[in-house]
Amino acid sequence: DVKVTQSSRYLVKRTGEKVFLECVQDMDHENMFWYRQDPGLGLRLIYFSYDVKMKEKGDIPEGYSVSREKKERFSLILESASTNQTSMYLCASSLTSGSRRYFGPGTRLTVT
Amino acid sequence: EDQVTQSPEALRLQEGESSSLNCSYTVSGLRGLFWYRQDPGKGPEFLFTLYSAGEEKEKERLKATLTKKESFLHITAPKPEDSATYLCAVQATSGGYQKVTFGTGTKLQVIP
Repeated sequence: DVKVTQSSRYLVKRTGEKVFLECVQDMDHENMFWYRQDPGLGLRLIYFSYDVKMKEKGDIPEGYSVSREKKERFSLILESASTNQTSMYLCASSLTSGSRRYFGPGTRLTVT
Repeated sequence: EDQVTQSPEALRLQEGESSSLNCSYTVSGLRGLFWYRQDPGKGPEFLFTLYSAGEEKEKERLKATLTKKESFLHITAPKPEDSATYLCAVQATSGGYQKVTFGTGTKLQVIP
């Protein structure tokens, strides 16, 4: 069974802290994605990667960066966390850029 | 700009009361349409992919249909365990790669 795992289910961080969210997939997919999900706004794409060491900005990249050093691992970094980054963060992978996403369980991040 | 609109935002049904969820879209170059189910606090779980107008897919009490402008998710004789948020997403060609745009979802509650 295919799997996408995320390092934490729940995180509480303070304003200004550097935050790392990690995602691992076991399907040998080239494409990986980070979304945030907020009530009434749906899923919004932060960054995606179509190959190791490659990254592309999504719709809302401000305040975030990413790292993909290995094919199976895609990290989201909040350089200096702010309260408006409190959200549910979802990682996903897919075989091609347009094919169905396989989602992880999500990380509920609260920034206080 | 690609747009995906889901309606209603929320739907409350009695157990056994059939209904439909709507996903209307405005995209250039539709390549596919996805339906996902999302339980509270979890990542979305894939249900169906539809590729062309007139196509239908079924799974248990769920049937998805596609026209040139919208998709419907029909729920026949729903049970309380069908309670979840249902997300629609469209795949379209954008700037040389395949982009997937999500709707904001319909939250379904089935009352025993």
